[in-house]
Amino acid sequence: GENVEQHPSTLSVQEGDSAVIKCTYSDSASNYFPWYKQELGKRPQLIIDIRSNVGEKKDQRIAVTLNKTAKHFSLHITETQPEDSAVYFCAATKYQFYFGTGTSLTVIP
Amino acid sequence: DTGVSQNPRHKITKRGQNVTFRCDPISEHNRLYWYRQTLGQGPEFLTYFQNEAQLEKSRLLSDRFSAERPKGSFSTLEIQRTEQGDSAMYLCASSTGSGQNYGYTFGSGTRLTVV
Repeated sequence: GENVEQHPSTLSVQEGDSAVIKCTYSDSASNYFPWYKQELGKRPQLIIDIRSNVGEKKDQRIAVTLNKTAKHFSLHITETQPEDSAVYFCAATKYQFYFGTGTSLTVIP
Repeated sequence: DTGVSQNPRHKITKRGQNVTFRCDPISEHNRLYWYRQTLGQGPEFLTYFQNEAQLEKSRLLSDRFSAERPKGSFSTLEIQRTEQGDSAMYLCASSTGSGQNYGYTFGSGTRLTVV
């Protein structure tokens, strides 16, 4: 099966700085890589995703990059705001999702 | 149809009791997934259905766990003889298929506490 590793497990940044979270995966058949934001007690919410035929995707302050050869993908959040504070999960999938262990992001005002 | 619906939202049960959770997916979604999430961890895959067929089960799904999707619409997840280690959030998700996970949406989850 797929194995997804995510780093770092915790990340603190000053408001306005950038945050980067990295994930690696093991199964070359995985073809879809979503990122989820989960606030305490709430369901995971999709914030951005990327498919295997794309190398980079941006949506306002959020971007994701994918390196299929190296089997790693990253989430970049620029101009961070306190409301970005949450746990972020990456996932790799062909059908069912395999999630990373999460990154707890704290944005310090 | 505003999304994936899960019931109940919370369940407290005594160890050894059986519990059943329900998930109603987005109506046009043919794939339905169950995950378990414990505090501080990412969701762990349990099982998934394409229509009424259960196509894959994780090794996490012991013989005390059973899931059904009899008519290819809603699904139930039953845990028999609950143990304290079963305490977790049980998440359901649904999507439309064709080899790509379009519209993958999570429900709000059922939080199980075994006392």
